[in-house]
Amino acid sequence: EAGVTQSPTHLIKTRGQQATLRCSPISGHTSVYWYQQALGLGLQFLLWYDEGEERNRGNFPPRFSGRQFPNYSSELNVNALELEDSALYLCASSTWGSGSQETQYFGPGTRLLVL
Amino acid sequence: RKEVEQDPGPFNVPEGATVAFNCTYSNSASQSFFWYRQDCRKEPKLLMSVYSSGNEDGRFTAQLNRASQYISLLIRDSKLSDSATYLCVVRLNTGFQKLVFGTGTRLLVSP
Repeated sequence: EAGVTQSPTHLIKTRGQQATLRCSPISGHTSVYWYQQALGLGLQFLLWYDEGEERNRGNFPPRFSGRQFPNYSSELNVNALELEDSALYLCASSTWGSGSQETQYFGPGTRLLVL
Repeated sequence: RKEVEQDPGPFNVPEGATVAFNCTYSNSASQSFFWYRQDCRKEPKLLMSVYSSGNEDGRFTAQLNRASQYISLLIRDSKLSDSATYLCVVRLNTGFQKLVFGTGTRLLVSP
């Protein structure tokens, strides 16, 4: 069974540009989560999508946005890039409401560098 | 106060040693608990869930103390391949599966 996939693996942008990151969840998973992991820091929750809807977002500015498509894949968009947006962006997927021990499975991440 | 706190380490141990990591969480509404492993520059991978009665998976043993809001991970007979960062993860009893990650404890196993 294929795991969570993300593209691109690496992305280099300059300040002010926009970045688009993509994620395909594990087959059968309807929920997609996005996290930011800056160097030396823990994972910070960004966004959660389920059944095409944004269900929750973390403490990030509105220039971080995204969407989920009918096939449950998802896109994260970061507008007006700033230097501090440089980080590993991780996507995770899960089934929702299937049990208390259900957890999230991560993709390999997209490493974004803003110059 | 952080929702999930871990000693960042690093823990430097020789092969074959037993090492224990601790984690405390602040939200009593926490419902589920996990340990993830993250290798350098890689994604986190689920190591094991933590059950109320404690559970074991090979060389790994996880314990939960709800009264003290404390989780532990014990690794016996450490291998070089165990070198990684171990993330303590808590799922809150909210309307969605919010996972809260600790910043991780780094383990270095040397020959």
